[in-house]
Amino acid sequence: GAGVSQSPSNKVTEKGKDVELRCDPISGHTALYWYRQRLGQGLEFLIYFQGNSAPDKSGLPSDRFSAERTGESVSTLTIQRTQQEDSAVYLCASSLRTYGYTFGSGTRLTVV
Amino acid sequence: TQLLEQSPQFLSIQEGENLTVYCNSSSVFSSLQWYRQEPGEGPVLLVTVVTGGEVKKLKRLTFQFGDARKDSSLHITAAQPGDTGLYLCAGPKTSGSRLTFGEGTQLTVNP
Repeated sequence: GAGVSQSPSNKVTEKGKDVELRCDPISGHTALYWYRQRLGQGLEFLIYFQGNSAPDKSGLPSDRFSAERTGESVSTLTIQRTQQEDSAVYLCASSLRTYGYTFGSGTRLTVV
Repeated sequence: TQLLEQSPQFLSIQEGENLTVYCNSSSVFSSLQWYRQEPGEGPVLLVTVVTGGEVKKLKRLTFQFGDARKDSSLHITAAQPGDTGLYLCAGPKTSGSRLTFGEGTQLTVNP
């Protein structure tokens, strides 16, 4: 597609449930990134995929968070046993190597 | 400690005023990028600066990369309400690595 697509755009879930967030990067972009953004704050790095290399998971805040990417296509970010502090906007970006990032519009996650 | 420090954190001005926001580091960067994020959207790349001392202009926005490639500034002339947003600077910790983002400057331009 022309841009980075994220789904769903909004998600409300009950505390303790698992959620899956999806990101469709720009075709041909080898790198894919997930960030978390709490209200009024900057970007918190979560995980980075580059081609077939092992992902950089150094930003994942706990073992409840995991992400997968199939080849150079879709990625899913999974949060297990959601907590209220997980409420945030989750942004996905893709790029050719580490050139300028193209971001999606994000998934707004609310844990109630 | 943030690798990239942005200041000010918040800025509220009237339409027509000029402003400058700063992005500083104690480290040398091979390049720096500036993004703008509007409410409900992801950040959008505005510019990449690569050469020390480089100045780039984008309409009323002027971006400068410091001579030592440790800092950058964004100057907006005659700000308009449409300039409202979160301005983020970002750079790779090492050449070819993923970007590190500053905490951002939240700019509000009042009509």
